[in-house]
Amino acid sequence: EAGVTQSPTHLIKTRGQQATLRCSPISGHTSVYWYQQALGLGLQFLLWYDEGEERNRGNFPPRFSGRQFPNYSSELNVNALELEDSALYLCASSWGLNYGYTFGSGTRLTVV
Amino acid sequence: QKEVEQDPGPLSVPEGAIVSLNCTYSNSAFQYFMWYRQYSRKGPELLMYTYSSGNKEDGRFTAQVDKSSKYISLFIRDSQPSDSATYLCAITQGGSEKLVFGKGMKLTVNP
Repeated sequence: EAGVTQSPTHLIKTRGQQATLRCSPISGHTSVYWYQQALGLGLQFLLWYDEGEERNRGNFPPRFSGRQFPNYSSELNVNALELEDSALYLCASSWGLNYGYTFGSGTRLTVV
Repeated sequence: QKEVEQDPGPLSVPEGAIVSLNCTYSNSAFQYFMWYRQYSRKGPELLMYTYSSGNKEDGRFTAQVDKSSKYISLFIRDSQPSDSATYLCAITQGGSEKLVFGKGMKLTVNP
């Protein structure tokens, strides 16, 4: 069974640009979660999508947005990039929270 | 007060040692408790999951939850160099479908 896959592995952008990160969940998982892991801050919850709808959102500005497609894959968009957006962005999927999350290996975003 | 507090370490132990990792939480509504292990350049992987007070064992790993004290622990017996990683506690109320993570403890097991 393929795990959660994320692309690209690394992404370098200039301040003010937009970044698009992609995630494919484990087959059969309908929920996708996005987390930011910045140095010294731990994992911070960004967004939760289930059945194509945004279900919950963390304490991040509106320039962090995303969507979930009919095949349950998901995209995270970050507009107007700032230097502090540099972090590892992790996607996870699950059957439901009672089963825990399965994480992908992440996309390392660097804003210069 | 932060929702979840975890001693950030780092922690360095000799091979074969018993390791104790701990987290405290503030919200008594939290019901589900997990431990994740994260190797360098990888995403976190679920190690242990429990939803009740008491102990849960899985091989060399034991997860302990004390809801009255709002305290959770992960014990690693006979630690191995391959256990060297960052360990994160994660807690949720369940219905909110959001995990709240501790900042992680970096463990190094020296051969």
